[in-house]
Amino acid sequence: AQKVTQAQTEISVVEKEDVTLDCVYETRDTTYYLFWYKQPPSGELVFLIRRNSFDEQNEISGRYSWNFQKSTSSFNFTITASQVVDSAVYFCALSGGYTGFQKLVFGTGTRLLVSP
Amino acid sequence: KAGVTQTPRYLIKTRGQQVTLSCSPISGHRSVSWYQQTPGQGLQFLFEYFSETQRNKGNFPGRFSGRQFSNSRSEMNVSTLELGDSALYLCASSLATGATNEKLFFGSGTQLSVL
Repeated sequence: AQKVTQAQTEISVVEKEDVTLDCVYETRDTTYYLFWYKQPPSGELVFLIRRNSFDEQNEISGRYSWNFQKSTSSFNFTITASQVVDSAVYFCALSGGYTGFQKLVFGTGTRLLVSP
Repeated sequence: KAGVTQTPRYLIKTRGQQVTLSCSPISGHRSVSWYQQTPGQGLQFLFEYFSETQRNKGNFPGRFSGRQFSNSRSEMNVSTLELGDSALYLCASSLATGATNEKLFFGSGTQLSVL
């Protein structure tokens, strides 16, 4: 079975602090995809990144960076120099060939509160 | 390019009624998926349609159904509404053909309240 665990329910930081959101996954698929989505108060899920299981290269996009480690089944997300606009709920998700590549299994989400 | 459009944005129904939600995908996207989001269960996959055919289904009762039209627009229907059906229903579209994953683009959702 596929499972995504986001152990951090809520994180509060002050602006300009760095923050890391943890994501641990379980899957029996050899080919799978990992995602991060951001959900602001408007409700829409905003795509941040997709990673396939064969690409363990870490990625940086502006203030965002992602650390994918197959050895520990983790796909962590770091925001550097956080800003108030980063306040949102962040979801980690997984899809694989066994259950359907377009079927995402989501974690429970981490609510990030960035105060000025 | 217009994003994924869901209508209506808010809906209030009473127990026992039925409801139909609509989703217009991004132009060119043929895959449409539906998700239910509740505080207790989180985000759960309902079903996916591709070229008017249901390709994948989640673990929801038969009261939840959907369909896709030839223009890729999709509707989902919930019959005999229960209080527990109160949720944010999110639609997502993608370019996916099935052989691999393509990223999903989500709409703003329909907030359904069942009284």
